[in-house]
Amino acid sequence: DTGVSQNPRHKITKRGQNVTFRCDPISEHNRLYWYRQTLGQGPEFLTYFQNEAQLEKSRLLSDRFSAERPKGSFSTLEIQRTEQGDSAMYLCASSLVSRDRVLETQYFGPGTRLLVL
Amino acid sequence: RKEVEQDPGPFNVPEGATVAFNCTYSNSASQSFFWYRQDCRKEPKLLMSVYSSGNEDGRFTAQLNRASQYISLLIRDSKLSDSATYLCVVNMIRAAGNKLTFGGGTRVLVKP
Repeated sequence: DTGVSQNPRHKITKRGQNVTFRCDPISEHNRLYWYRQTLGQGPEFLTYFQNEAQLEKSRLLSDRFSAERPKGSFSTLEIQRTEQGDSAMYLCASSLVSRDRVLETQYFGPGTRLLVL
Repeated sequence: RKEVEQDPGPFNVPEGATVAFNCTYSNSASQSFFWYRQDCRKEPKLLMSVYSSGNEDGRFTAQLNRASQYISLLIRDSKLSDSATYLCVVNMIRAAGNKLTFGGGTRVLVKP
């Protein structure tokens, strides 16, 4: 399978614990995005990387959230001191940016579903 | 006002019928547009890009109206397997990088 993969697929944690999610993008893709999706809503942008550089962070990404992509390949998203409001599906997407940047298409992984008790 | 707005539905569609729904966007600088399909508890999957002249892919037709700032999706001869949430996505190219903004989705239920 050469698509985007995410691990774990499900995570149940207690409030106050730290959690870390991993995303492996499609191998030749240079951009990697993190989104959060809650029930009945579309995905909301959190942050993205171009290679290893984190270029943008949404204001949704509080200080408790941190993302890394140390070698420009896989990425991790860590949530510290989880809160019940963090319960959501965390989606990763990757893309290969063309020179004109108009036809960038993002491909999503299966997501990590987080439940904070 | 949300940047990208969709009627959440659900649109209850008899099998074999045609269904169409729109998505409106607020930023006139938006430059490319997509429809994604999302099944329950699954990830979004690209259905089709939307080109300025409108485009068709089998039973699916997408239209873009820049003047009125909306995108439409039409599904002909609906199949039971078309039941899903359809996400409208608007892309704005910026110096800081492309920004994809998703609508909340339109839920379609095709019934026998």
